[in-house]
Amino acid sequence: GAGVSQSPSNKVTEKGKDVELRCDPISGHTALYWYRQSLGQGLEFLIYFQGNSAPDKSGLPSDRFSAERTGGSVSTLTIQRTQQEDSAVYLCASSLASGQIYEQYFGPGTRLTVT
Amino acid sequence: SQQGEEDPQALSIQEGENATMNCSYKTSINNLQWYRQNSGRGLVHLILIRSNEREKHSGRLRVTLDTSKKSSSLLITASRAADTASYFCATVLTGANSKLTFGKGITLSVRP
Repeated sequence: GAGVSQSPSNKVTEKGKDVELRCDPISGHTALYWYRQSLGQGLEFLIYFQGNSAPDKSGLPSDRFSAERTGGSVSTLTIQRTQQEDSAVYLCASSLASGQIYEQYFGPGTRLTVT
Repeated sequence: SQQGEEDPQALSIQEGENATMNCSYKTSINNLQWYRQNSGRGLVHLILIRSNEREKHSGRLRVTLDTSKKSSSLLITASRAADTASYFCATVLTGANSKLTFGKGITLSVRP
């Protein structure tokens, strides 16, 4: 397929609700990354997958955040008991492999608003 | 935490002029990359320069890297209105995995 796709493109949720964000990487890309972009914190790394394993989840802000990847393809980022500070654009990226020189291709992002 | 710091934070130029954006970083890197973002959504990869390279070109883009000063510059020549966007430098740290650490970004406005 084309590029990285993410759904939904926009999500408005009430504080305390759980949300799931989805990322479809480019077919054949083994590495997948989640980043978050907010006004206060800029662009931050959250977690990365190599295949279905997450060797680095150091950027997840709290235990309310979790992510999984299945079949080496689709990934979901779940935020439980959302808080207003979770409002941000969540960006997913994929790359052919996880080596340091591989270009990352970004999806359009999911804009999350917690009211 | 931010690894890269770009300057200026905002830049406004006339179409046809050159735009120069700078990025400084703090720790040893494997490579440095520049990305463009339109309208606050998806990022587009522009160019990657490795730590053992000093200069790279891609079309109207020229990137330099000075590892002794821990700095990089992105030059866009003959700018166009369509170049209006936010530009970010991102580093991949030496010995780390491939995650990107971004700077805060530069807003470039190109006036027609």
